[in-house]
Amino acid sequence: DAGVIQSPRHEVTEMGQEVTLRCKPISGHNSLFWYRQTMMRGLELLIYFNNNVPIDDSGMPEDRFSAKMPNASFSTLKIQPSEPRDSAVYFCATSGASGNTIYFGEGSWLTVV
Amino acid sequence: SQKIEQNSEALNIQEGKTATLTCNYTNYSPAYLQWYRQDPGRGPVFLLLIRENEKEKRKERLKVTFDTTLKQSLFHITASQPADSATYLCALDPSGTYKYIFGTGTRLKVLA
Repeated sequence: DAGVIQSPRHEVTEMGQEVTLRCKPISGHNSLFWYRQTMMRGLELLIYFNNNVPIDDSGMPEDRFSAKMPNASFSTLKIQPSEPRDSAVYFCATSGASGNTIYFGEGSWLTVV
Repeated sequence: SQKIEQNSEALNIQEGKTATLTCNYTNYSPAYLQWYRQDPGRGPVFLLLIRENEKEKRKERLKVTFDTTLKQSLFHITASQPADSATYLCALDPSGTYKYIFGTGTRLKVLA
């Protein structure tokens, strides 16, 4: 199993630009999470999907952030327009039917200058 | 407010000793608690899960305890090795809705 696959691994972009982060979950896992990690705030849950449906997006910081899961094998997190304070590591994670173990990708390291 | 607290200061111990990390939580009554390991530049990796009706859980050199009265979990690594150096995070699902909350993690360094 390839695990959770995220792209890009690293992105440097200018303030105001659109950023799209991508995630391929583990096959068969029906829950998908997007987390953001910073030194100051640790790991924060942004949004959670179950069976491709957004269940809880209360962690999405602003309207500039949006997430989609068009099918069971793909999800995106988009930031438009990006700001320097969005610089962080963004993790995609998934879990199976039991829901009590989360499998993380390697993260997308975003720097907004 | 709801939160999970882990010692933010790094823990340095000598190889061969037992490392003990603490996770305290407030305002929750979780059915279970998890521990993860995170290496620099990598995503967290699941290590152990302990349920509210379990006092202790073991896996090789790892041991986790869960005291729901104290609202605390302890994570022990016995016979520690330099390869155990990493950041360790605890996590719980406060409402049983898979909305996991993570502590900020404790960085462990095992000195050879």
